[in-house]
Amino acid sequence: GAVVSQHPSRVICKSGTSVKIECRSLDFQATTMFWYRQFPKQSLMLMATSNEGSKATYEQGVEKDKFLINHASLTLSTLTVTSAHPEDSSFYICSAGQQETQYFGPGTRLLVL
Amino acid sequence: GENVEQHPSTLSVQEGDSAVIKCTYSDSASNYFPWYKQELGKRPQLIIDIRSNVGEKKDQRIAVTLNKTAKHFSLHITETQPEDSAVYFCAASPTNTNAGKSTFGDGTTLTVKP
Repeated sequence: GAVVSQHPSRVICKSGTSVKIECRSLDFQATTMFWYRQFPKQSLMLMATSNEGSKATYEQGVEKDKFLINHASLTLSTLTVTSAHPEDSSFYICSAGQQETQYFGPGTRLLVL
Repeated sequence: GENVEQHPSTLSVQEGDSAVIKCTYSDSASNYFPWYKQELGKRPQLIIDIRSNVGEKKDQRIAVTLNKTAKHFSLHITETQPEDSAVYFCAASPTNTNAGKSTFGDGTTLTVKP
């Protein structure tokens, strides 16, 4: 089946630093990947759609300069949380699509001190 | 855009009983409806899906039904086991092309008591 990896799985950083999260489709090519944010006991909130070779499409209310997305190849998308603050602490999950079905990465738990 | 509502938000059943989770959607263009199971701290895993040209689909103890006219679909789990305890999300996708963007319900926390 389709496998999506995400790295790192957990990161703790100081306020003001930037954090990069990688999402890879391991056994298939994905022209589109999605980035989600999930708060405890809540649903998946779509942040942006990452398109290979073009600019990401951000959902309303998501700051594009805060959450930089790069989709440089058919198997890799990165999310960079710039100048992170404690309110950015969350569980970030990516997904990659194969036809209609989305396959999720294992998630990255970010804690900003 | 699409709006997906999911009920109930929490569900507690006794081991061996059945569990039913219901979702409604608003966009008549949606034609793909997956269900995901998410255990605590882990990724959502696809457990079953249904397309709009099908009314019902079953996979062992799990079944999904779709009423496209009423715009609702349901997940049915029979003979529940403690390992079925998790958060379940429904989703609706308006496209059947590559990597369709899904709208998720708010989730149902299922607890199966031994």
